[in-house]
Amino acid sequence: EAGVVQSPRYKIIEKKQPVAFWCNPISGHNTLYWYLQNLGQGPELLIRYENEEAVDDSQLPKDRFSAERLKGVDSTLKIQPAELGDSAVYLCASSIGQGTATGELFFGEGSRLTVL
Amino acid sequence: AQKVTQVQTEISVVEKEDVTLDCVYETRDTTYYLFWYKQPPSGELVFLIRRNSFDEQNEISGRYSWNFQKSTSSFNFTITASQVVDSAVYFCALSLNTGNQFYFGTGTSLTVIP
Repeated sequence: EAGVVQSPRYKIIEKKQPVAFWCNPISGHNTLYWYLQNLGQGPELLIRYENEEAVDDSQLPKDRFSAERLKGVDSTLKIQPAELGDSAVYLCASSIGQGTATGELFFGEGSRLTVL
Repeated sequence: AQKVTQVQTEISVVEKEDVTLDCVYETRDTTYYLFWYKQPPSGELVFLIRRNSFDEQNEISGRYSWNFQKSTSSFNFTITASQVVDSAVYFCALSLNTGNQFYFGTGTSLTVIP
């Protein structure tokens, strides 16, 4: 069974440029998460989807970040324009659980963003 | 509010030594779940274990064991006879029975020296 797939693995851009990250969750997983991980820190939730609905986006900086999960499968996270402080690893995770947090998370390898 | 604390930021041990990673959590909910994840240098967090709040039995899986104590709100992780491949960052996490949200600690970076 394929795991969570993310692309690109690495991205280097100049500040004020746009960037997009893509995630394909494990087949059948209803819940999809985007996390931000700064160096030496644990993952911090940006947005959580239940199927195609964003049910928790309270931590997403909506002035520059946007996300979508069309048809409740793949998801894209976009930053426009990127700032120096956005340099981090963006992790996508999925779980089979819906409504309750009993299921473990399955993570992708992450997309490492460097903003120059 | 929920919180997970991992006070050990970095630990170094010599191969074959035992090592314990501490995790303390805070929640007022009576039903919750605790997790440990391993993040090797490749970057992908790998699930190790899940415990629910009603099951305080300790668990052993090979060289790994977990000690869950509700009285001290701790969920500690011990690696016996550590190996170089155990070198990674380990995260403790908490989730509630509702909301499907996970709260991660800041991680403990373990280095096993050959």
